[in-house]
Amino acid sequence: QVQLQESGPGLVKPSETLSLTCTVSGASIRSYYWSWLRQPPGRGLEWIGYIFYGGTTNYNPSLKSRFTILADTSKNQISLDLTSVTAADTAVYFCVRQAPRGNHFDYWGQGTLVTVSS
Amino acid sequence: DIVMTQSPDSLAVSLGERATINCKSSQSILYNSNNKDWLAWYQQKPRQPPRLLIYWASTRESGVPDRFSGSGSGTDFTLTIRSLQAEDVAVYYCQQHYTTPWTFGQGTKVEI
Repeated sequence: QVQLQESGPGLVKPSETLSLTCTVSGASIRSYYWSWLRQPPGRGLEWIGYIFYGGTTNYNPSLKSRFTILADTSKNQISLDLTSVTAADTAVYFCVRQAPRGNHFDYWGQGTLVTVSS
Repeated sequence: DIVMTQSPDSLAVSLGERATINCKSSQSILYNSNNKDWLAWYQQKPRQPPRLLIYWASTRESGVPDRFSGSGSGTDFTLTIRSLQAEDVAVYYCQQHYTTPWTFGQGTKVEI
């Protein structure tokens, strides 16, 4: 059974860098594409970007260049860094697996709420 | 970016009745090489992550009850819940998985 678990600080101060980790079990991160998405409270879903373990990344251009997604194959983890956070970055952040044929999102983590506040 | 627009924003349906949700993409998401529409549907219950229901517009994910069905092609798609159950109360999202950036509809809230 594939499981994804996000972890990170629940509270970040404005202008700081947010770092999140997704630990994957039941699947090797080498074999799939992995995405991060976010959902502001009470709002819809937004795709942030994906990574394939070899270093291939693709980011949502509307989110500018504040995001970095990395893969650590030794720990079977995916990470997300977001620099210069503002209140608009307050959201639940999801780690998600992209299906091998189709790119739809077949496995989701439970999500982690990140609040940006001083 | 491909814009996904759902209608209605919310829907109240009696138990056992049919629920229909529409989704329109701003451009065709039909991939000619495999003749499939790259459209997915997700269900999200409160305080839970979304759950994949349908992909390629009409392929039901393993374990999804057969009362859920997807249809449509090109730019216009529909999710139908054939006989609404209490556990189907949720927000439903469509998503195009045709090209990046992957984009979602704004969501449709289904209530009893």
